Amino acid sequence: EAGVTQFPSHSVIEKGQTVTLRCDPISGHDNLYWYRRVMGKEIKFLLHFVKESKQDESGMPNNRFLAERTGGTYSTLKVQPAELEDSGVYFCASSRDAGLPRQYFGPGTRLTVL
Amino acid sequence: AQTVTQSQPEMSVQEAETVTLSCTYDTSENNYYLFWYKQPPSRQMILVIRQEAYKQQNATENRFSVNFQKAAKSFSLKISDSQLGDTAMYFCAFTPGDAGNNRKLIWGLGTSLAVNP
Repeated sequence: EAGVTQFPSHSVIEKGQTVTLRCDPISGHDNLYWYRRVMGKEIKFLLHFVKESKQDESGMPNNRFLAERTGGTYSTLKVQPAELEDSGVYFCASSRDAGLPRQYFGPGTRLTVL
Repeated sequence: AQTVTQSQPEMSVQEAETVTLSCTYDTSENNYYLFWYKQPPSRQMILVIRQEAYKQQNATENRFSVNFQKAAKSFSLKISDSQLGDTAMYFCAFTPGDAGNNRKLIWGLGTSLAVNP
């Protein structure tokens, strides 16, 4: 079974530019989570999809962040326009059943905004 | 507010020895889950061990075991017979048990563990 994959592994962009991160969950996993780790701080929850629906987006920092999961498969997280404080590692995780408290994580995307 | 605290930013241990990583948490929930995740230098986050709060017995997975003290809200991880491959960042995490279908995790800052040969 293929694991959770994320693309790109590393992105360096200028302030004001747009970046789109992608996450492919494990096949058959309806639940998809995005998290972010800013250097020196805890990993923070961003949002949770159940299939294509946003279940909880309480952790999204502001309206410069837009997450989608069309068709309930892969998800994208777009940052537009990027700011310096958006730098960090963005993790994606998936689980088959939200009742099962185990999430499988991708390797993360390291975003650097200059 | 629900919080997770890891007070040891860095630790080191000699190969084959035992090390304990500490974690405390704060919640008003009675039912919840606690986790230790490991992130090796290759960056993939891996679940090490999971504890359900309603279970009094401490979870064990091979060389990894926890000391779960519910009243004290403490959840430490013990690694026995440390191996070089245990070198990683270790995160303690929490999720409420009655969260419906949202299992968002609340994380500690992490402890960087180095196993020395």
